[in-house]
Amino acid sequence: EVKLVESGGGLAKPGGSLTLSCAASGFRLSNYTVNWVRQAPGKGLEWVSSISSKGDYIHYADSAKGRFTISRDNAKNVVHLQMDSLRAQDTAVYYCARKLGPTGNLWGQGTPVTVSS
Amino acid sequence: DILMTQSPSTLSAPVGDRVTITCRASQSIGSWLAWYQQRPGKAPKLLIFEASKLEIGVPSRFSGSGSGTEFALTIASLQPEDLGLYYCQQYDNHPLAFGGGTKVEIQ
Repeated sequence: EVKLVESGGGLAKPGGSLTLSCAASGFRLSNYTVNWVRQAPGKGLEWVSSISSKGDYIHYADSAKGRFTISRDNAKNVVHLQMDSLRAQDTAVYYCARKLGPTGNLWGQGTPVTVSS
Repeated sequence: DILMTQSPSTLSAPVGDRVTITCRASQSIGSWLAWYQQRPGKAPKLLIFEASKLEIGVPSRFSGSGSGTEFALTIASLQPEDLGLYYCQQYDNHPLAFGGGTKVEIQ
């Protein structure tokens, strides 16, 4: 079965860190650009970051710049999102998504992140 | 940065009705627009890509139109399983951006 599975979410204190992972099964993640998208409780979708298939093109939303780092390990078929200096406003379900926009799009089930003292 | 504006924010219609959601981009994005459906408690699902192309497996009652800055998603005959949130998203350039969403309710 072709799927993406996120992990690493949970509870973090303001100013703390979490690292999310997006693991692929059934296909080679190394062939695709991967994106992180988040959805705060009761809110809409917000694109967070993307990384190209070789990792040579990386983009961040303004809300993530300087605090989040996206990376990939193509040998392990996984993409990571390291989140530092977390704020309450980062509380959301975080989804990874393959090919955001074009055909062939695939989303994981999401991992919840709560930032609270 | 490109801003995506959707309307209406909520729509309610009976089963069988034709409904349309519109999406406006703050600058031209050509046809680089996607539409997603998000059912309650689920991840989004791609319906339409390149403004008007139906993703494999999506029912033909869904259609997309438009180019440049004005786009629309039409459901030709609303079904009970169509309730949920609908989002447009531009992928012309970074930062990628979603519209604010439209909640579709069944009367």
